[in-house]
Amino acid sequence: DAKTTQPPSMDCAEGRAANLPCNHSTISGNEYVYWYRQIHSQGPQYIIHGLKNNETNEMASLIITEDRKSSTLILPHATLRDTAVYYCIVGYSTLTFGKGTMLLVSP
Amino acid sequence: DAMVIQNPRYQVTQFGKPVTLSCSQTLNHNVMYWYQQKSSQAPKLLFHYYDKDFNNEADTPDNFQSRRPNTSFCFLDIRSPGLGDAAMYLCATSRDEGLAGGQDTQYFGPGTRLTVL
Repeated sequence: DAKTTQPPSMDCAEGRAANLPCNHSTISGNEYVYWYRQIHSQGPQYIIHGLKNNETNEMASLIITEDRKSSTLILPHATLRDTAVYYCIVGYSTLTFGKGTMLLVSP
Repeated sequence: DAMVIQNPRYQVTQFGKPVTLSCSQTLNHNVMYWYQQKSSQAPKLLFHYYDKDFNNEADTPDNFQSRRPNTSFCFLDIRSPGLGDAAMYLCATSRDEGLAGGQDTQYFGPGTRLTVL
């Protein structure tokens, strides 16, 4: 079973920041937090991952709380093409997908 | 520039007729994965290969088998497809199985959508 809890859906206005929360209260010390997204009818796409520290790349930022029990994925300037299901996954090697959050970016 | 290629993108088979889905990769990754994704559900890992070592998930039905003849190719065989096997089948690769400190990004192909008539 997935070890994460995410809201089923979120809305965001184009150009605004999208903040997607994830709870992972049972995370183990050596488990990473991964974020993937899946645009309709495509394969999942890697976004970012982290262990303890906050991370940033060209796509997004990942904020992990100090106790590592939750995290937030931030898309700084959401576009219509960011409409997708976003999966927060906790693990070490293989991925167990939860239900994810359906992010709808609107004009 | 394609990195993980799945053929065909759409496959139609008849109930009980064996079908094979294929995946190839140009990344030279050690690990290849097969996921099943049914409509409106999340991807579910069926099995994966670390190099030639096969790792089956505990709840993967015996009806599903896999072959990896070389680093670049991996096949998913469904011996006797049932209506419940209609799904998107996703292939993914990663460099290693988390041996590099657990940081192992998976790269997914576009998927093959299987229809069972």
